[in-house]
Amino acid sequence: AQKVTQAQTEISVVEKEDVTLDCVYETRDTTYYLFWYKQPPSGELVFLIRRNSFDEQNEISGRYSWNFQKSTSSFNFTITASQVVDSAVYFCALSGYNQGGKLIFGQGTELSVKP
Amino acid sequence: SAVISQKPSRDICQRGTSLTIQCQVDSQVTMMFWYRQQPGQSLTLIATANQGSEATYESGFVIDKFPISRPNLTFSTLTVSNMSPEDSSIYLCSAKAGDTEAFFGQGTRLTVV
Repeated sequence: AQKVTQAQTEISVVEKEDVTLDCVYETRDTTYYLFWYKQPPSGELVFLIRRNSFDEQNEISGRYSWNFQKSTSSFNFTITASQVVDSAVYFCALSGYNQGGKLIFGQGTELSVKP
Repeated sequence: SAVISQKPSRDICQRGTSLTIQCQVDSQVTMMFWYRQQPGQSLTLIATANQGSEATYESGFVIDKFPISRPNLTFSTLTVSNMSPEDSSIYLCSAKAGDTEAFFGQGTRLTVV
């Protein structure tokens, strides 16, 4: 069975702090994709990143970075120098290669960045 | 990435009635999906909308309760039938084209009273 666990339900930081959101996954597939999505208060889901299981290189995009560790089945997301606009619920998700694009979501982490 | 428009964006409905949610994509896509997000919860896949044939439902979801149509490559509807307060959720349409990431509509916030 496939499963995504985001153990942190809520995180609160002060602006300019760095924050890491944890994601641990379970799958028997050898080929799979991992995702992060952002859900601001308005409700839409905003795509942040997709990673396939063969690419363990860390990725950086501006203040965002992702650390994929296959050995620990983790795909953590770090926001550097957080801003109030980063306040949202962040979802980690998993899709098996043969799952036709169906996503299994974690429970989400609600990030609150205070000025 | 393509843009998904969902209608209505929100609605308040009486129990026992039905609501049809529309999802329009601005370009052709291979896959379309419907998710439910109950208050304070994560997203759960309801079904995969198949073009020209019956949708494929996930465990716990049935066609009588959530009939889905997908008449072409850019449009799908989800009906929430015989609604009860437990159906109060955000319903999200999702789509993907080929080997790309899935993108989402803005969701439909449904409240059943």
